[in-house]
Amino acid sequence: KNEVEQSPQNLTAQEGEFITINCSYSVGISALHWLQQHPGGGIVSLFMLSSGKKKHGRLIATINIQEKHSSLHITASHPRDSAVYICAVTLSNTDKLIFGTGTRLQVFP
Amino acid sequence: KAGVTQTPRYLIKTRGQQVTLSCSPISGHRSVSWYQQTPGQGLQFLFEYFSETQRNKGNFPGRFSGRQFSNSRSEMNVSTLELGDSALYLCASSSSVPRTEAFFGQGTRLTVV
Repeated sequence: KNEVEQSPQNLTAQEGEFITINCSYSVGISALHWLQQHPGGGIVSLFMLSSGKKKHGRLIATINIQEKHSSLHITASHPRDSAVYICAVTLSNTDKLIFGTGTRLQVFP
Repeated sequence: KAGVTQTPRYLIKTRGQQVTLSCSPISGHRSVSWYQQTPGQGLQFLFEYFSETQRNKGNFPGRFSGRQFSNSRSEMNVSTLELGDSALYLCASSSSVPRTEAFFGQGTRLTVV
């Protein structure tokens, strides 16, 4: 069993839809990250969370430490949101990141 | 502030050769980590350096090595290249005190032929 599990693996949506990507982890962490990777490879850090909720524009990330679960929400989705979204956790007391397998999102006009 | 810079961006090598990749972290960041991304295995941790010391190492053979210099720039080296080493190699830097999010470079795409 992977230490970081993401769902769904693939997601298609129509422009304007509300999107949720889920992440569960089974290890002790100091932080959870949501990353975005576009074709070509570059990775952008969207959020780093250790508790609660963060919002940036149309993106919202939440984390429930007790349940070891996080969600990434995209409101009013747009074709430019099409990318792979990766959940990663920082293991406690290290800077080592463990990654989920990613969710490939395609938003159609 | 300049971002994380990785060089070269693309590289083609022949089996058996060795390769050195470079990563310049964000100014002030002392932690540099390296990751390998392949279609089959996804993103996997290679190693992490902090203040010139390797703090963590992933499950990769000894052909993969790295180092960090006093200015926090880091290099990773792969010797005796195999076809399976073809991958996108990403480095990320962060400030450990206080701990910040990881900032990724654009990666080096290595193709072994």
